[in-house]
Formats: sequence, structure tokens, C-alpha cells
Amino acid sequence: DAKTTQPTSMDCAEGRAANLPCNHSTISGNEYVYWYRQIHSQGPQYIIHGLKNNETNEMASLIITEDRKSSTLILPHATLRDTAVYYCIVRLRVGDMRFGAGTRLTVKP
Amino acid sequence: GAVVSQHPSWVICKSGTSVKIECRSLDFQATTMFWYRQFPKQSLMLMATSNEGSKATYEQGVEKDKFLINHASLTLSTLTVTSAHPEDSSFYICSARIFQETQYFGPGTRLLVL
Repeated sequence: DAKTTQPTSMDCAEGRAANLPCNHSTISGNEYVYWYRQIHSQGPQYIIHGLKNNETNEMASLIITEDRKSSTLILPHATLRDTAVYYCIVRLRVGDMRFGAGTRLTVKP
Repeated sequence: GAVVSQHPSWVICKSGTSVKIECRSLDFQATTMFWYRQFPKQSLMLMATSNEGSKATYEQGVEKDKFLINHASLTLSTLTVTSAHPEDSSFYICSARIFQETQYFGPGTRLLVL
């Protein structure tokens, strides 16, 4: 599975959009980009995933660059409850989910 | 999304005893289940992968005789930590998946070995 690089930490003001970047320059053509988050002392929560096209659901939007070497997770209106560690994972459809260090997002009032 | 439960949510045991953690997929049948371990201030580390009715596949460095995994049905997997020691104290998280679909995670079980 391709390796991902994420910033260690980010801050965001409550009510503003949170844009979390992820680099995956070695991604292969059949690897998906998954995003999960982990709120303190809980199991990871699935957010969204995509292959090539941008995706949107009730939680977030995923923007994947045309060359697929990077992506951005967008939380459109961040709330205090969105404070968590966000993990970007690249995985084959049949592969295991392996976690890196993630980005610690702090939403501030 | 699909729901995965774990029981117990936390457990305290004496050194040398065995502890069993259950993982259930509540509203779907999981062809594959995964067990992870997370130490304080660290990321999740995959311990093993199991398919229903098959032996689990353990990650390098994970002792299969110490961490017994049973995936007896499409909705239940158990992890037994045998002869637990203080260094086994950790946050254990299971995950379940239907074929090649999205993995969903349980809430985790916090184990403290005294």
C-alpha cells in the first residue's frame, strides 16, 4: 500500500471550513483514498473514500487531484465536536487498513 | 454506516490471567475482521486479520499463541489475551468488513493488566 504524508497538527476556527491535506505520491491506479477520524478514546470513524473523482457525503467532501498524488478532506463547517485525529489511508480494495500518524485537528471557538 | 460493537469496553485483570474481548458486527455479516492495538499517543497498529472459518493471519511481531483469535461466525470474532502481563495493557480495537467494502471499527476495549 502507498505511504501517505499528513501535517502533524492543524487548527481551525469553529464554523469555518477545515481543509486537511494528504500526500500520496506513490499511489497506484487501483488504490483508494480513505479518510477516518478518531475522537479521543474511541474507535476510528469512517468519513469518506474515493478513487479518482471528488466525493461528497453528509460529513465531508474529498477532493482528489487529477494526478491522484494528493487529496484534501474538507469539513465545510467545523464544530468543536470535529476535534479529532484524522487519518488519510491509501488502500487496495482488498487490502488492510493501516494507519499512519494522522493530523490532529483542533477546532477552536 | 454499519455498526460494530465490542465487549467489554474496559477490563482490569491480574497479571497471568486471560482476557477475552468480543467483537460483533450488528447489522451486517462481516467476511473479514481485524484486530488493532493502540498504545497511548500512538497510532493504531494492525495485529491480525481473520476470515470467517479460517485461521487468523498475524502481523510480524505479534505472538499468535498469546493473542488467540477466533472468527466463528460472520458476526462474531473474539480476541483472547492469554497470560496477560502489564505490557499488554493497551486499547484494543476491532474492525469488520464485507468483502471489499469499507471497514468499520468498534468503540475499542481498554485493557489494564495489574
